[in-house]
Amino acid sequence: AQSVAQPEDQVNVAEGNPLTVKCTYSVSGNPYLFWYVQYPNRGLQFLLKYITGDNLVKGSYGFEAEFNKSQTSFHLKKPSALVSDSALYFCAVTSGGSYIPTFGRGTSLIVHP
Amino acid sequence: DAGVIQSPRHEVTEMGQEVTLRCKPISGHNSLFWYRQTMMRGLELLIYFNNNVPIDDSGMPEDRFSAKMPNASFSTLKIQPSEPRDSAVYFCASSTPGSSYEQYFGPGTRLTVT
Repeated sequence: AQSVAQPEDQVNVAEGNPLTVKCTYSVSGNPYLFWYVQYPNRGLQFLLKYITGDNLVKGSYGFEAEFNKSQTSFHLKKPSALVSDSALYFCAVTSGGSYIPTFGRGTSLIVHP
Repeated sequence: DAGVIQSPRHEVTEMGQEVTLRCKPISGHNSLFWYRQTMMRGLELLIYFNNNVPIDDSGMPEDRFSAKMPNASFSTLKIQPSEPRDSAVYFCASSTPGSSYEQYFGPGTRLTVT
């Protein structure tokens, strides 16, 4: 079985400060990890993924995530937050043997001006 | 590319009525997923198709829900009869597993059953 935990329901950060949205996972085999963002009244939008290779993955809108195998984590980061980054963020995991991802509950990111 | 297309965007219906949600995946994507999102339960996978064949429907709540994919460019999710607890946002997503894996979501259909 595979699972994802996003331990924070909400993250608050001031504009211009760095942000981190946490994600830990459990999966059999090699993990395929994803981050998605959902703006109000919109569908989820793919941000970035880790399949293999460099542990630091860069994605859209200046976001990046670091794969840490020993800690089974895939935290989403951005060096300088923007108010427009305020949204709901989902982490997801699957493995090479399954095409069905498991999504976390989501973390609401609020960036204050 | 127009992305994943869903219709209608909003649906308000009375309890007991039949509801049909429609989805057109991205051309060339061979996998299609139907999800339901609510505040209480988050994002739930309802059914997964690969090459138009239902592979996993374990998330379909009950017999009132059915889904079809008659061809590579069209899928429907039907609820008959609808109940107030079916009120949610329903998303369709498509992907190309085996190459990129990430999913591309449609804008969703907001269903309200009164």
